[in-house]
Amino acid sequence: IVMTQSPATLSVSPGETVTLSCRASQSVISNLAWYQQKPGQAPRLLIYRASTRAAGVPARFSGSGSGTEFTLTISTLQSEDFAVYYCQQYNNWPPYTFGQGTKLEIK
Amino acid sequence: EVQLVESGGGLVKPGGSLRLSCAASGFSFSTYTMNWVRQAPGKGLEWVSSVSSSGSFIYYADSVEGRFTISRDNAENSLYLQVNSLRAEDTAVYYCARASEDIVFVPTAGGSYSYYYMDVWGKGTTVTVSS
Repeated sequence: IVMTQSPATLSVSPGETVTLSCRASQSVISNLAWYQQKPGQAPRLLIYRASTRAAGVPARFSGSGSGTEFTLTISTLQSEDFAVYYCQQYNNWPPYTFGQGTKLEIK
Repeated sequence: EVQLVESGGGLVKPGGSLRLSCAASGFSFSTYTMNWVRQAPGKGLEWVSSVSSSGSFIYYADSVEGRFTISRDNAENSLYLQVNSLRAEDTAVYYCARASEDIVFVPTAGGSYSYYYMDVWGKGTTVTVSS
């Protein structure tokens, strides 16, 4: 299953709300996770089952979608939210497959 | 505290070998499927291999099949990846990741199924393949 994220880069200002997109080449039902990765750090799980926040993840992060279309919305961007975000399907594995990432940068 | 700590990376020549290790703590290691995921410099995440909780089921990415071997020692709470016949394109940070089970009722299939997502990651160990 090929995962495609858009856009590749998003330039936004702190305080704004952003929506990142992820599309699967075939249905993954709701078996979709989102990860955040900051430079030099390991990925951090944000969302699983398309819309369930992982423990300790702030409520400003929300996920939605099912089938082949998914979104990650970050409300009221904080400075610590600027990072790369990856989606990953875990419906049909092996292999697990990741999107190529969306880089969120400060405008 | 739930923790995964990788070690064993380094600089190796093409064709060489390394054994990567991942030490787990803070959770019941023997009950979790474990994974290796890698990230080449400046690139995205690539799943490498998975091993079931008992070690009975093992899977590899096509790119490493036949060259890499995953294993685990539940008595030692440790995961391993033996990497052989290394190539320049294997240069990457290698992450150890725990997979947690999510039981989902699928109406169209008439039953509940288990799905596994990666919820805990180590900081990674770097493998550089260069002559």
